[in-house]
Amino acid sequence: EVKLQQSGDELVRPGASVKISCKASGYTFTSYSMHWVKQRPGQGLEWIGAIIPIIDTTEYNQKFKGKATLTADKSSNTANMELSRLTSEDSAVYYCARGVRGRYFDYWGQGVMVTVSS
Amino acid sequence: DIQMTQTPSSMPASLGERVTISCRASQGISNYLNWYQQKPDGTIKPLIYYTSNLQSGVPSRFSGSGSGTDYSLTISSLEPEDFAMYYCQQYDSSPLTFGSGTKLEIK
Repeated sequence: EVKLQQSGDELVRPGASVKISCKASGYTFTSYSMHWVKQRPGQGLEWIGAIIPIIDTTEYNQKFKGKATLTADKSSNTANMELSRLTSEDSAVYYCARGVRGRYFDYWGQGVMVTVSS
Repeated sequence: DIQMTQTPSSMPASLGERVTISCRASQGISNYLNWYQQKPDGTIKPLIYYTSNLQSGVPSRFSGSGSGTDYSLTISSLEPEDFAMYYCQQYDSSPLTFGSGTKLEIK
């Protein structure tokens, strides 16, 4: 069974950074891309970017360049996203999602809520 | 960026009713259009890929169609579990973009 298990919710201070993880199981981690999607409270979905673990290649939405850094640890089948210089605009739920057929997301993590507050 | 305009933003409907949700792209996207369902607890489920292909395990009451800039998701007969948010997503070009969502509500 394919599963994407994300790390727990985070409460972080403005200006700080946070790293959230997405542990994949039930499939060959390096055979698929991993994408990240942001959802602000009561809002729609926004694509942040993706990583192809087998070649460690990343692609970012220009809007999130400098904000998000995507990495993949092939030894633990885990994708990570670090968000830096956090502001209230970064308070959101962040999802990881497996990419197939290029850009279709067939499995999603449960989401991680990041709250930026002093 | 390609803008995806989804209509309506909310739709009251009854059990057994046939409903259609529309998604219009700001430019042609060559059928590179997917649909997802999001439940109130945040769980997101894929429904349809490449305009009209049903994800494995998704009931056949769901169908997708369209071409060029205009696409639609149809549910032929609403079941209780179908009341949720629905999003379209284009992948013709980067950045990938989603529609603003349609909330399907019980009438």
